[in-house]
Amino acid sequence: NAGVTQTPKFQVLKTGQSMTLQCAQDMNHEYMSWYRQDPGMGLRLIHYSVGAGITDQGEVPNGYNVSRSTTEDFPLRLLSAAPSQTSVYFCATSREGSYNEQFFGPGTRLTVL
Amino acid sequence: AQTVTQSQPEMSVQEAETVTLSCTYDTSESDYYLFWYKQPPSRQMILVIRQEAYKQQNATENRFSVNFQKAAKSFSLKISDSQLGDAAMYFCAYRSHWGSNYKLTFGKGTLLTVNP
Repeated sequence: NAGVTQTPKFQVLKTGQSMTLQCAQDMNHEYMSWYRQDPGMGLRLIHYSVGAGITDQGEVPNGYNVSRSTTEDFPLRLLSAAPSQTSVYFCATSREGSYNEQFFGPGTRLTVL
Repeated sequence: AQTVTQSQPEMSVQEAETVTLSCTYDTSESDYYLFWYKQPPSRQMILVIRQEAYKQQNATENRFSVNFQKAAKSFSLKISDSQLGDAAMYFCAYRSHWGSNYKLTFGKGTLLTVNP
C-alpha cells in the first residue's frame, strides 16, 4: 500500500497562476483534509471532506477550492496564487472517529513569487 | 473554539537524558483526544502517542510517555533515554470526540535538539 501520496513535492508559481495539488490514498479512509504549515504557526486546516461528494471549509479556506468525487482523491486547487500562499501543504486521511490516527502525506512545498 | 499552546519554541537534551515537552489546551468539551506528532527534517508527520480524555491512566509508548492532567488542561510529553533520532519538531494536537472530529487543532510546535 502506498498510503497517502501527494504530488508534486515542490512547486514554484508566479503570482496569479493557478494549480492543483494532488492527494491520493489507498486506505479507504472516509476523512480527508488539507492543512498548511507556516513557520511558527503549526498546521492549520484549509478544507476537509467526510466522504465522497462532501466537502467543507476549515480555518483558512480563502483562495483554495476542493472537490471529492471519489474516496481516493482529494485535490486542492489554488485559483490565483498569491505570495501569502507560500507554505508547506499536507494532506491527511483517517477513518471516521476521533480516536483514529490521521495519516499524513509527505507534503508539498509551494513557493509563490 | 479549541486552542493548543506549546510554550517552549525550542528545547535541547543530552543523549540518554530525559526531556519533557509542555502542552496546554483550552476546551469546553469533556470528551476529546490528544496527540503528539513528531516531524523530523524529512517533513513527514509521525504519530508518537495519543491519549483519550476519559482515561485517567497516562499513555505510554516505549520511551515516550505523557502526563495528562485533565483539570489543568495539560498534556506534556516525556522522552526518556533520548536518542539522536528523536531530534525533530514536536506538535501537540487536539481532536474533538463529537462534532468537529474531522480535524486536528495543532500547537505551534517545539523544536527538540539532541546533543551527543
